[in-house]
Amino acid sequence: GESVGLHLPTLSVQEGDNSIINCAYSNSASDYFIWYKQESGKGPQFIIDIRSNMDKRQGQRVTVLLNKTVKHLSLQIAATQPGDSAVYFCAGVYNQGGKLIFGQGTELSVKP
Amino acid sequence: DTAVSQTPKYLVTQMGNDKSIKCEQNLGHDTMYWYKQDSKKFLKIMFSYNNKELIINETVPNRFSPKSPDKAHLNLHINSLELGDSAVYFCASSHRPLAGEGNIQYFGAGTRLSVL
Repeated sequence: GESVGLHLPTLSVQEGDNSIINCAYSNSASDYFIWYKQESGKGPQFIIDIRSNMDKRQGQRVTVLLNKTVKHLSLQIAATQPGDSAVYFCAGVYNQGGKLIFGQGTELSVKP
Repeated sequence: DTAVSQTPKYLVTQMGNDKSIKCEQNLGHDTMYWYKQDSKKFLKIMFSYNNKELIINETVPNRFSPKSPDKAHLNLHINSLELGDSAVYFCASSHRPLAGEGNIQYFGAGTRLSVL
């Protein structure tokens, strides 16, 4: 079936270090993936997206990598800052139904 | 100005009661959504409306009834509230109904519903 999952529920990093948040998806085909950031008490906020025909996309301090062979994507945050502390979700869009299927979320904590 | 706004932010009520959550977006989007986030932060779509028409209706108990008076508003009415309805409910909106590139969903701040 369709599912998007995360390897770790929590991640703690030192301020200034790079963070890598991982996500795996199931066998069903996906056209498109998105990363959302959810700060405490707020709604999910779009960070970056990637089409399935790409393997890398860069934004400001963030990079998403997609490995279709092993059905895995990751979000890399460079020089992690305290303001990056949040829950990060990957979400996939499947070519049927047009719905966003969210993963469980990884809580990122940044230590000063 | 808040793009997607929900009211109330917190809702505490007794089992068996009926309650409503309201959502409004000022982004000019045609599509609006309701999501439910459980205690483990799992986020799942419940409904979507496009121009006041129901598009997505997931396996949600019929105690939940969305209503869209116009494309800028999508309200959620819940009858006979149960303990398991306790969650955070998020409203979202996007330009078009099908999720995909160039059609980002913008979320409200959420309504935390606690059923006692």
